[in-house]
Amino acid sequence: QQQVKQSPQSLIVQKGGISIINCAYENTAFDYFPWYQQFPGKGPALLIAIRPDVSEKKEGRFTISFNKSAKQFSLHIMDSQPGDSATYFCAASNRAGYQKVTFGIGTKLQVIP
Amino acid sequence: ETGVTQSPTHLIKTRGQQVTLRCSSQSGHNTVSWYQQALGQGPQFIFQYYREEENGRGNFPPRFSGLQFPNYSSELNVNALELDDSALYLCASSRAGSNTGELFFGEGSRLTVL
Repeated sequence: QQQVKQSPQSLIVQKGGISIINCAYENTAFDYFPWYQQFPGKGPALLIAIRPDVSEKKEGRFTISFNKSAKQFSLHIMDSQPGDSATYFCAASNRAGYQKVTFGIGTKLQVIP
Repeated sequence: ETGVTQSPTHLIKTRGQQVTLRCSSQSGHNTVSWYQQALGQGPQFIFQYYREEENGRGNFPPRFSGLQFPNYSSELNVNALELDDSALYLCASSRAGSNTGELFFGEGSRLTVL
């Protein structure tokens, strides 16, 4: 059962363009929504995160938009750079006794010069 | 600050064998979680350890077991290996009481089962 659905699975963007990755969740008990970035041969690393009481969070070129009623959230990467080429995972967690994090399937982003 | 370290980085086993993977958590972190990442998939939660006890488990059979030691390092043991166990196994550490999903991952141990 995929509790966090992510799309697209792959994305090619021109340098300077906007990369958009979308996610949807089912479990309304989720109360924290992080995005992780993973480079080949490395473990995932936290990129940016949001709580459901906030509709948008921006950190540099990265912005999360959150729609609680639709149970959807998205990552926007502005002015995409070749160095942003990586796999991005949306995720969700709740505090039901432990920090189990449920990940989406991942989006492989390639930014071409 | 020392990050999460895992060993070995790569290993090959045959079906039916047993494997032990090791993890040293980041300094100051007392909770360790293990995730399985199959090729082309997101990480899947296996279990979490806090105060040397398992306190959360995902949909994995009992042949997946673990330990946490007093220094917060951890082991993942998998018995009776199956071909589908081939994956990247990620260890993540965090601070208990942190009200977030922030995990600090190691680079993983890539297991191939033949």
